Amino acid sequence: ETGVTQTPRHLVMGMTNKKSLKCEQHLGHNAMYWYKQSAKKPLELMFVYNFKEQTENNSVPSRFSPECPNSSHLFLHLHTLQPEDSALYLCASSQGRTTRSYEQYFGPGTRLTVT
Amino acid sequence: GENVEQHPSTLSVQEGDSAVIKCTYSDSASNYFPWYKQELGKRPQLIIDIRSNVGEKKDQRIAVTLNKTAKHFSLHITETQPEDSAVYFCAASNPNAGNMLTFGGGTRLMVKP
Repeated sequence: ETGVTQTPRHLVMGMTNKKSLKCEQHLGHNAMYWYKQSAKKPLELMFVYNFKEQTENNSVPSRFSPECPNSSHLFLHLHTLQPEDSALYLCASSQGRTTRSYEQYFGPGTRLTVT
Repeated sequence: GENVEQHPSTLSVQEGDSAVIKCTYSDSASNYFPWYKQELGKRPQLIIDIRSNVGEKKDQRIAVTLNKTAKHFSLHITETQPEDSAVYFCAASNPNAGNMLTFGGGTRLMVKP
């Protein structure tokens, strides 16, 4: 599948490390999203970008820092994470808020383990 | 903001039986209600959606109903098969909030052969 890709698929990092998650969409969409999926909160929205501008920050701690250099790429920079941040991080994209198409296409996710 | 509640959290049915998953939402302005299916180890994928101008939509063995007055919507799966086993998520979207979806807590459906 090439619609929405994420790298890496698995990541183990220590609490003092700095790492980045990457998402790329090949669908010509203008909106991109980061979700956190864990046993406690199955699909928790973190950030939303529309046309490269951040339109939503869902009270996410500053140790998570998103970056959207263009409509096709989305990054999540991680630093000084906590063990409770271990989860599956899903990226999604959709056509954008100016259209009536709301369907979100998800990537395969990055399984993050913080030790 | 929008709040979506989903029930039950787990559902076990015998193959061939029907399964029903229910969701309620809080914001009467919400007008788009999708359902996503997530198989084990895979990404969520849209299986059916409904807009607020219709009350029911069907696609083969799956159907969704919407009651705007009561602010609830349901997913119905008939003649369930083992491959229907997955986690199902409902969601609601408010046009005043761009294309953001607020998801329910998910329902783990197990279809026993």
